[in-house]
Amino acid sequence: DAGVIQSPRHEVTEMGQEVTLRCKPISGHDYLFWYRQTMMRGLELLIYFNNNVPIDDSGMPEDRFSAKMPNASFSTLKIQPSEPRDSAVYFCASSFTWHTELFFGEGSRLTVL
Amino acid sequence: AQTVTQSQPEMSVQEAETVTLSCTYDTSENNYYLFWYKQPPSRQMILVIRQEAYKQQNATENRFSVNFQKAAKSFSLKISDSQLGDTAMYFCAFINTQGGSEKLVFGKGTKLTVNP
Repeated sequence: DAGVIQSPRHEVTEMGQEVTLRCKPISGHDYLFWYRQTMMRGLELLIYFNNNVPIDDSGMPEDRFSAKMPNASFSTLKIQPSEPRDSAVYFCASSFTWHTELFFGEGSRLTVL
Repeated sequence: AQTVTQSQPEMSVQEAETVTLSCTYDTSENNYYLFWYKQPPSRQMILVIRQEAYKQQNATENRFSVNFQKAAKSFSLKISDSQLGDTAMYFCAFINTQGGSEKLVFGKGTKLTVNP
């Protein structure tokens, strides 16, 4: 299995631009999570899906952030418009059930200038 | 709110020695799961060890073991015979279904350096 695949690995953009991060979970996993990692705040859960349905998006910072999971093999996290404070590493992770091992992607490092 | 506290931002150990990373958590639930994840400089997070709260026996995975003290809400990680490849950030994490939301909550992490 290829594991959780995220793209892009690195993204540099200017303030105000739209950013789309992509994730392909491990086949057969029912749960998908989006995390954001910064030095100041550590790992924060933004949103998670169960069987493609968003369950808890209380961690999404504001309306500029949105996430979708149109099918079991693909999810996106979109930031529009982006701001410098959005600069972080964004991780996607998937798991079979809610209490089993989370498999993480390699992360997408976002820099907003 | 559920919280996970790792009180040691940084630690170092000599190769082949033993080190213990501390973690405490706060919950009113009785059934939950605890994890230690490792994030090496390559950035990808990987699971080190997992503990189910209803099991009294401490989990062990090769050189990694935990000391789970449920009453004290403590979940420390012991690394025996430390190796250079153990250098990484280590995150303690906790999950239950409180409020119907299955959130895995992470601590701030401990940066471990293994010195040759």
